[in-house]
Amino acid sequence: EVQLLESGGGLVQPGGSLRLTCAASGFTFRANSMTWVRQVPGKGLEWISFIYSDSAATSYADSVKGRFTLSSDNSRNTLYLQMSSLRAEDTAVYYCAKNTFFAFDIWGQGTMVTVSS
Amino acid sequence: QSALTQPPSASGSPGQSVTISCTGSSSDVGTYNYVSWYQHHPGKVPKLIIYYVDKRPSGVPDRFSGSKSGNAASLTVSGLQAEDEADYYCNSYAGGNTWVFGTGTKVTVL
Repeated sequence: EVQLLESGGGLVQPGGSLRLTCAASGFTFRANSMTWVRQVPGKGLEWISFIYSDSAATSYADSVKGRFTLSSDNSRNTLYLQMSSLRAEDTAVYYCAKNTFFAFDIWGQGTMVTVSS
Repeated sequence: QSALTQPPSASGSPGQSVTISCTGSSSDVGTYNYVSWYQHHPGKVPKLIIYYVDKRPSGVPDRFSGSKSGNAASLTVSGLQAEDEADYYCNSYAGGNTWVFGTGTKVTVL
């Protein structure tokens, strides 16, 4: 079964850091590009980051550029989103998703990040 | 990276059709035929229902259809069913390995 499982969410103080993990199974992870999407409670979906299958290139939304870093470990079939200088407005459910046909066909269940003092 | 514009809400009775618009710009929808749509039931995981403007993934009913004209795309749900009540989001590739979502539309089945 194709599956993505996020972890690492939790409560963090403003200015703090957190690393989210997305464990993939059921497909050839190294052959697929991946994306992170977040949803602020009660708000819409926001694309925030992308990584090529070969990990050679990453991209970020302006809202997180310079603060978030996306990486992957193909040997572990795992995606990492390192988040730093966190702000209250980063409070959201964070989803990892598999890219296909310039869309996102498989989504994880999401992990909640709360930035609050 | 401005969000694509969608109407906040849409509604229809069972069996009717509802169409949701998604307005972007020449930087995204107008340039790329990489528009996708997602159905999101609150508390659940978003589901891809349309990609490449009008292609349906396996398992998605043909009641869902997509189209595009200029800087705007649209999703039509025909033969509305109770389970179609959800939030719907459009998405477009915006170049440079970036994507942008729409503001979301809540569809209510009356």
